[in-house]
Amino acid sequence: AQTVTQSQPEMSVQEAETVTLSCTYDTSESDYYLFWYKQPPSRQMILVIRQEAYKQQNATENRFSVNFQKAAKSFSLKISDSQLGDAAMYFCAYRTYSGAGSYQLTFGKGTKLSVIP
Amino acid sequence: GAVVSQHPSRVICKSGTSVKIECRSLDFQATTMFWYRQFPKQSLMLMATSNEGSKATYEQGVEKDKFLINHASLTLSTLTVTSAHPEDSSFYICSASADGYYEQYFGPGTRLTVT
Repeated sequence: AQTVTQSQPEMSVQEAETVTLSCTYDTSESDYYLFWYKQPPSRQMILVIRQEAYKQQNATENRFSVNFQKAAKSFSLKISDSQLGDAAMYFCAYRTYSGAGSYQLTFGKGTKLSVIP
Repeated sequence: GAVVSQHPSRVICKSGTSVKIECRSLDFQATTMFWYRQFPKQSLMLMATSNEGSKATYEQGVEKDKFLINHASLTLSTLTVTSAHPEDSSFYICSASADGYYEQYFGPGTRLTVT
């Protein structure tokens, strides 16, 4: 079974600075998807960024980028120019085939990010 | 686009009663819907996967007779917590996927409190 590990329960960053959140995973599959989700205090899950394992190029979405190291099974999220609105729980997730034509997400335990004004 | 709603957002019920939570995809047809449970300061745990028109697939350890899931249409799935007990108090989140393959869109969640 796939597992997702986020080793940083909490992180903090000064506003306008850069922070990196870590995620490692365990899998025997060669083709898969990885995601970072943000859960602000409203509890609404918001997709931040996705990465296809077959793509060597790291995904980027505006201030958010990933460092995907397939051999090391590492998938870190970098947030540049941090803003107060970035404060949230961040979950790393791995998508796996669950059978019957559908896929399911396995989430890490999350990292709580605080942004200091 | 890709909006998922949940109703109610908060519910308080007495121990022993049943409560139903609705999950709707508002602007797309969801062939697959997922139900998660999230305890305070913890991650999302998948409870079950439901495909429209067929029985839900429950994760190990989830009581199917207690957490009844119905996915009767391509835009609506319901989770009924039967004979609720205080330990069922939690935050329940649904998500929906148009094809079960690519993107899951999450609802805003429902906080259930059983007294």
